[in-house]
Amino acid sequence: NAGVTQTPKFRVLKTGQSMTLLCAQDMNHEYMYWYRQDPGMGLRLIHYSVGEGTTAKGEVPDGYNVSRLKKQNFLLGLESAAPSQTSVYFCASTQDLNTEAFFGQGTRLTVV
Amino acid sequence: GENVEQHPSTLSVQEGDSAVIKCTYSDSASNYFPWYKQELGKRPQLIIDIRSNVGEKKDQRIAVTLNKTAKHFSLHITETQPEDSAVYFCAALDSGGYQKVTFGTGTKLQVIP
Repeated sequence: NAGVTQTPKFRVLKTGQSMTLLCAQDMNHEYMYWYRQDPGMGLRLIHYSVGEGTTAKGEVPDGYNVSRLKKQNFLLGLESAAPSQTSVYFCASTQDLNTEAFFGQGTRLTVV
Repeated sequence: GENVEQHPSTLSVQEGDSAVIKCTYSDSASNYFPWYKQELGKRPQLIIDIRSNVGEKKDQRIAVTLNKTAKHFSLHITETQPEDSAVYFCAALDSGGYQKVTFGTGTKLQVIP
């Protein structure tokens, strides 16, 4: 059972380039989340999904887009990367709102 | 939405001593409060959680207390060990139409052997 898997693990982008981060979960969870983690700022929610075909904005959505075409996958896109998007990105999934969130291993993104 | 504040941001204790991390939340209707541990370079993992119908929950050396009136909850680690060194995050479930949890900013715990 793989749990939550993120692809890629590391990436370096030039300013203005685009990319997509993939999150895949094999637990049939309804809820999926994308967070960014910066020193001293904890885990800040970018976007989330409460089911296949749904998405909603979190705390820091600007500059990001998401899609959840399949229940098991949640994609995070950066259309035009900026140095301020340098961060560690975590995907997470839960079956219910008041149950454990399972996190992916993280993606370290550097924008130069 | 929910606002969660966590203190202290860093904490150093001697091995064998106790550690306490405190969080406050703003939404009086919140009813689920998980705690996550993140070791260096790894993903956050749930260590304990508490729901609003109980005031305290224990799991071996870890305990969480909840005071709904004051809107704060705390993590207590007793007999600390070097492997307890990590960043700890508290969180609270947003009520109403917000289907998500809000995390605190984290506490870096260092256990000195």
